[in-house]
Amino acid sequence: NAGVMQNPRHLVRRRGQEARLRCSPMKGHSHVYWYRQLPEEGLKFMVYLQKENIIDESGMPKERFSAEFPKEGPSILRIQQVVRGDSAAYFCASSPDWGVLDEQYFGPGTRLTVT
Amino acid sequence: RKEVEQDPGPFNVPEGATVAFNCTYSNSASQSFFWYRQDCRKEPKLLMSVYSSGNEDGRFTAQLNRASQYISLLIRDSKLSDSATYLCVVRYSSASKIIFGSGTRLSIRP
Repeated sequence: NAGVMQNPRHLVRRRGQEARLRCSPMKGHSHVYWYRQLPEEGLKFMVYLQKENIIDESGMPKERFSAEFPKEGPSILRIQQVVRGDSAAYFCASSPDWGVLDEQYFGPGTRLTVT
Repeated sequence: RKEVEQDPGPFNVPEGATVAFNCTYSNSASQSFFWYRQDCRKEPKLLMSVYSSGNEDGRFTAQLNRASQYISLLIRDSKLSDSATYLCVVRYSSASKIIFGSGTRLSIRP
């Protein structure tokens, strides 16, 4: 059973471009969470999704950021018109459909650099 | 006040020592508690869940004090490989977000 997969692992974008980060949860998991980690800081919750539904997006910036988790395919975190302050590590985690919902398994992260 | 607060450290202790971290949370309705560990530039990994009765896993012991709203992690006989950042995690309910503390940095020296 492959773990949580994220791609790309490293992404460089110029200011004003769009960034698309992908996350494939573990097999059998339909709960996905996105987090952002700035250098030397802790993880900040962004959004919690289930298949085709956003459950909690209280950590998402109001503008430029969006997330989806379609019926088929990976979850996507989209950042439009990136700015330097968006440079961070973005981690995705998933949790199972059964048993303990709380245990999360993290992907290796995508490191976004905005130049 | 932050929802989850941790002493950032760093804690620098010799191999074999016992070290303890505390973490406080502000929302008394919090239901689930965890410790994760994160190595430099890697993803967080679940270390252990924290149960009301306290729980132990090898050299690691976690405790929850609901009255004082804190959780603790005790590491006995520390190893060099225990060097990492330890993240305290709190969840209000199964349908809500998870709050991560900023982490406590631990460095074990030979």
